[in-house]
Amino acid sequence: EDQVTQSPEALRLQEGESSSLNCSYTVSGLRGLFWYRQDPGKGPEFLFTLYSAGEEKEKERLKATLTKKESFLHITAPKPEDSATYLCAVQGAGTASKLTFGTGTRLQVTL
Amino acid sequence: SAVISQKPSRDICQRGTSLTIQCQVDSQVTMMFWYRQQPGQSLTLIATANQGSEATYESGFVIDKFPISRPNLTFSTLTVSNMSPEDSSIYLCSIRAGVGNTGELFFGEGSRLTVL
Repeated sequence: EDQVTQSPEALRLQEGESSSLNCSYTVSGLRGLFWYRQDPGKGPEFLFTLYSAGEEKEKERLKATLTKKESFLHITAPKPEDSATYLCAVQGAGTASKLTFGTGTRLQVTL
Repeated sequence: SAVISQKPSRDICQRGTSLTIQCQVDSQVTMMFWYRQQPGQSLTLIATANQGSEATYESGFVIDKFPISRPNLTFSTLTVSNMSPEDSSIYLCSIRAGVGNTGELFFGEGSRLTVL
C-alpha cells in the first residue's frame, strides 16, 4: 500500500526566512510525485510533478526535489502570500490512476 | 487547465438526510474522481467515475452510501446518503487533464458539508 508522510505538520516562518518541507513516501513503482498548495476553503492547486530521482522543478520561490525515498519543497525568501497548506501525493504503478495524499504541512509566513 | 465547478460550495444538513453534489467540467474528460477531506486528515479517494460504466469504489466506500452518476463526459454527481455527523467533510471533484492513467489531478473548489 502506498504511503505518504509529511513533516513538519505546521511551520511558522518570518518573511524572508527560507526553509524546506519534507515528504517521505513508500510506493511500488513510482509513476509520479505531486505537490499541491491548498488555501483555506479552496480545493488543492497543482504545483509540480516529479517523475524520477534527481529531478527538480522550480516556480517563483518554490523548488521541488526528489530522491528515491523523499521529496523536498524548498521555499526561498517566503512572503505572507505563501501561507497555505502544502500537500504531497504519489501515484504508484500498482494503484491504477489513484493518488495517495499526505496530511500536509500548514505554513504560516509572518511579516 | 480545465475549469471545474462544484455545487453546493457548502451546506448544513440534518442527520438522516441525503445530499447530492454536482461537478461540472468545461471540457470532456474520461475519468472523474471524488475525494473526501475530513478535518485534519488527508484527501481520500472515494471512487472513480467513468462515463458509461459503473463507478469504481475504493475500500471502505460503498455505492449505497455514496451513489455516483456520470451521464456524460463533462458532468458527475456524488450523493451522500443517510448522513451522520461523521460525514461532515469537504468533498472534492477532480479530473486528470491528460489522456491515460498517469499525471496530475486538478480539483474543484470543494463542497463543505456539515451534518448536525
